[in-house]
Amino acid sequence: QVQLQESGPGLVKPSQTLSLTCTVSGGSISSGGYYWSWIRQHPGKGLEWIGYIYYSGSTYYNPSLKSRVTISVDTSKNQFSLKLSSVTAADTAVYYCARAERLAAAGDYFDYWGQGTLVTVSS
Amino acid sequence: QTVVTQEPSFSVSPGGTVTLTCGLSSGSVSTSYYPSWYQQTPGQAPRTLIYSTNTRSSGVPDRFSGSILGNKAALTITGAQADDESDYYCVLYMGSGIKVFGGGTKLTVL
Repeated sequence: QVQLQESGPGLVKPSQTLSLTCTVSGGSISSGGYYWSWIRQHPGKGLEWIGYIYYSGSTYYNPSLKSRVTISVDTSKNQFSLKLSSVTAADTAVYYCARAERLAAAGDYFDYWGQGTLVTVSS
Repeated sequence: QTVVTQEPSFSVSPGGTVTLTCGLSSGSVSTSYYPSWYQQTPGQAPRTLIYSTNTRSSGVPDRFSGSILGNKAALTITGAQADDESDYYCVLYMGSGIKVFGGGTKLTVL
């Protein structure tokens, strides 16, 4: 059973960089066939896809966040990470990591999710 | 920018059938968007229900089904139960690795 666990600071100051790590257990990031994803949910709001990374390092980002987002992978630690720069209060949200399984022809879907971690942006 | 649309809220009686939809602000949803559906209860991570339009995720009861209805993706719940009261989100694959969530539908069972 694949499990994902987010970790990182719960409080970040405005203008700083938000950094989160997702540790994967029960499966290898290097196994291929999956995208390793970040999704967030503003308080009381809907879900927003941030982006994902393939084990090879290929990345895909939400165009609205692309200028501030970096997703990286560390296959030796079976982890992937999110960095979001120049944060404001509008970046306060629950951040989820998730695995997206690639479908044969195209597309993918999220099959495993972390429990989520709340990150508050405040001075 | 393309917006993925969902009904903000819906209600269904216990035992009833409800169909939630997922559309586009411009254009029609087809199987090529590989629609997927997720259920979320307050304070919990989303749970995967349906992917690739109509494939149920492992362990999802067959009263949940997905389809394309007209120009939208649809999630139908047959024989609604009290614990189906949740938020439901669709996701569409827009190509080039880009995915977009719908705004979600809050389903009430009463």
